[in-house]
Amino acid sequence: QVQLQESGPGLVKPSETLSLTCTVSGGSISSYFWSWIRQSPEKGLEWIGFIHYSGRTDYNPSLKSRVTISVDMSKKQLSLILSSVTAADTAVYYCARPYDVGDDLAYDIWGQGTLVTVSS
Amino acid sequence: DIVLTQSPDYLAVSLGERATINCKTSQSVLYSPDNKNYFAWYQQKPGQPPKLLIYWASTRESGVPDRFSGSGSGTDFTLTISSLQAEDVALYYCQQYHDRPHTFGQGTKLEI
Repeated sequence: QVQLQESGPGLVKPSETLSLTCTVSGGSISSYFWSWIRQSPEKGLEWIGFIHYSGRTDYNPSLKSRVTISVDMSKKQLSLILSSVTAADTAVYYCARPYDVGDDLAYDIWGQGTLVTVSS
Repeated sequence: DIVLTQSPDYLAVSLGERATINCKTSQSVLYSPDNKNYFAWYQQKPGQPPKLLIYWASTRESGVPDRFSGSGSGTDFTLTISSLQAEDVALYYCQQYHDRPHTFGQGTKLEI
């Protein structure tokens, strides 16, 4: 049973960089596309982007200039970096995996999410 | 981006009755080469991540009760709960994965 666990600071100051990690347990990180999705009352559910274990990435154009997603195969971890944050980046951040190998599929495995608040 | 609009925003249904939630996409999510609708439904309860209920518009995820069904094609989709149970109280979201960025509806709150 694959499980995902997000971790990282719960509070980030405006203009600084948000950095989160998602640890994959109970299964392989290979073959799949791994996404970051966030949820806020203002914007609802928002797809941030994904990474394939090969390193291929794609990002939401609305965030592309500020976001980097990477993967560490040896640690079975995904990372999300979002720079120059504002209050609008306050959200619960999820990592998620689709139900099968492939880049455009529905997500059947989600982490529990981690709340990140942007405030001074 | 493909915009998804759910209706209604809020729905109250009696136990045992049918609940119907609609989702309209701003452009078709039917991919002609494989004739599949790149469309899903999720359920979310407080403090939990979304749970996949339906994908390919009408394929029920393993373990999802058969009172949940999805229908529709192209731009208009429906999630039906045939006989509402107390545990079905939740937020429901639609999602398209035909185009990136993948996008979600605004959510429908279902109560008894």
